[in-house]
Amino acid sequence: GQSLEQPSEVTAVEGAIVQINCTYQTSGFYGLSWYQQHDGGAPTFLSYNALDGLEETGRFSSFLSRSDSYGYLLLQELQMKDSASYFCAVTETGRRALTFGSGTRLQVQP
Amino acid sequence: GAGVSQSPRYKVTKRGQDVALRCDPISGHVSLYWYRQALGQGPEFLTYFNYEAQQDKSGLPNDRFSAERPEGSISTLTIQRTEQRDSAMYRCASSQRLTAGGLVDTQYFGPGTRLTVL
Repeated sequence: GQSLEQPSEVTAVEGAIVQINCTYQTSGFYGLSWYQQHDGGAPTFLSYNALDGLEETGRFSSFLSRSDSYGYLLLQELQMKDSASYFCAVTETGRRALTFGSGTRLQVQP
Repeated sequence: GAGVSQSPRYKVTKRGQDVALRCDPISGHVSLYWYRQALGQGPEFLTYFNYEAQQDKSGLPNDRFSAERPEGSISTLTIQRTEQRDSAMYRCASSQRLTAGGLVDTQYFGPGTRLTVL
């Protein structure tokens, strides 16, 4: 089976940088995705890593270390609208299903 | 363009009744997924289709749950003899491309159907 660990809550101020970590255990790891979900909304795709290293998409970056079974999502220049839950999700080799973590609730304060 | 749509948005039913939840994916999307999301948790995979073929149903909790996508577009998730523990948000997602093995294609989620079983 798979398991993912991420912090339950993170608080930061506007304009700051925040890092949300994710560690995973899975038998056939293929890739790590990140999704954002606002209260009452649907999960929306942010980023995906299959190889070690950093992927940058605007203010958001995602990092993966396959040897450490670890990844993180980095959010820069935080804005109030970034207040949401952030989920890491793994994909296993040969499967299309996403296995999600329990999510990190980010609260951005003025 | 239009995103993934689901209906009904809310469904309240009595224990023991059957319910059918509908998903209309983004036009042209080959793959369709069903997830269940409990409050404060991440989505939990149920099943997925490529075109009309059900490729993986390993996440369906028991045989009361079934899904179909007969024409490779709209899908229906059916729960028979509902129980209170079935209460959750049921989400559908679709992705554009048919990819081999574990190659990942972005999944676009719908607004969900909130199911409450009394």
